[in-house]
Amino acid sequence: TQLLEQSPQFLSIQEGENLTVYCNSSSVFSSLQWYRQEPGEGPVLLVTVVTGGEVKKLKRLTFQFGDARKDSSLHITAAQPGDTGLYLCAGTFSGAGSYQLTFGKGTKLSVIP
Amino acid sequence: EPEVTQTPSHQVTQMGQEVILRCVPISNHLYFYWYRQILGQKVEFLVSFYNNEISEKSEIFDDQFSVERPDGSNFTLKIRSTKLEDSAMYFCAGKSSYNSPLHFGNGTRLTVT
Repeated sequence: TQLLEQSPQFLSIQEGENLTVYCNSSSVFSSLQWYRQEPGEGPVLLVTVVTGGEVKKLKRLTFQFGDARKDSSLHITAAQPGDTGLYLCAGTFSGAGSYQLTFGKGTKLSVIP
Repeated sequence: EPEVTQTPSHQVTQMGQEVILRCVPISNHLYFYWYRQILGQKVEFLVSFYNNEISEKSEIFDDQFSVERPDGSNFTLKIRSTKLEDSAMYFCAGKSSYNSPLHFGNGTRLTVT
């Protein structure tokens, strides 16, 4: 069973601050995705990364995939209350079931106005 | 924008009863999934379905679970004899090709009493 570790588990910051959350695995990802989940809703895909060292930007969100494809980070610049939510990383692994995504437990972000 | 829709949004059932959770994927989706999320825990893969058959299933997806796509539109998850520990949010997801993004529905909250 592949495991994804996300840190921190909880994060509470003031509006305007920057933050970084992390996703790590002991195995190499075939691909990695970041999702955001609001209470009572399903996960919504933010980005997919597949190439080691890849950096993708989505407005104030910057996603980085580690060179060895075992880790990823999500950096938010100038956080806003609307960024509040659960951020999940999920990955597929070569050799494991190729159809299934393995999720981390998520980072619960609260941005205080 | 097309959405994956799930019904019902909330299902309460007694232990030992059968439940059927329904999903209507986006029309061009070819790959279908069920995931579940027990309260406070991570999203877990249950089963994937492609070309009218199960592609992969997890250890959770035992003989009490079954899936089908009876009419080429609805995608259903049946639990034959529910247990208390089946209480969770059940998410349907779909995608149009192997490498395309996964779209989740808003889930069905199943409560087994």
